[in-house]
Amino acid sequence: ETGVTQTPRHLVMGMTNKKSLKCEQHLGHNAMYWYKQSAKKPLELMFVYSLEERVENNSVPSRFSPECPNSSHLFLHLHTLQPEDSALYLCASSQDYGTGANVLTFGAGSRLTVL
Amino acid sequence: GQNIDQPTEMTATEGAIVQINCTYQTSGFNGLFWYQQHAGEAPTFLSYTVLDGLEEKGRFSSFLSRSKGYSYLLLKELQMKDSASYLCAVSESNYQLIWGAGTKLIIKP
Repeated sequence: ETGVTQTPRHLVMGMTNKKSLKCEQHLGHNAMYWYKQSAKKPLELMFVYSLEERVENNSVPSRFSPECPNSSHLFLHLHTLQPEDSALYLCASSQDYGTGANVLTFGAGSRLTVL
Repeated sequence: GQNIDQPTEMTATEGAIVQINCTYQTSGFNGLFWYQQHAGEAPTFLSYTVLDGLEEKGRFSSFLSRSKGYSYLLLKELQMKDSASYLCAVSESNYQLIWGAGTKLIIKP
């Protein structure tokens, strides 16, 4: 496979469940990102990892927990979510972090519905 | 404060030309990006500009005026496959990206 792959593509969970979103990039990039995309709203940056170190954590509730075991994989662990957390969660990668022409390659996203 | 404005939705006719505007107010400037996102798919990179002026890439062109905090994406010879959302994003002085809410472009036959 090439590019950025996200699984699952769709997830429905109750407020008391625990689930994880997975992202894998096959591009040899050094930085990986989690974004939240809600309808008619700008992309919200959640977390950034550069060389497997977390470099950004934009005031995200603790019910979202990221994990980056290596430079190719990124996880978003979910627990006790709220209905307002329902959204499309996009993973992205870039060659490096903190440069001007930092082109992001996105995955197709995981559509999360919290009941 | 930081802000990026772009129209929510635009409609155009197949074969025509459409201009999608983006105005921004950010903390510094290290370039402006345009991404295309088809429904249910990943956003894909279209262009990056850091200098004023017009850059052409086939049917798509991007314009930037840093003094006016303004950019536009120009799409020529519109095709049905151009129906998508177009996202404008600015890289600030700390290289953080500030995103617009996107413009949904509807192409009619």
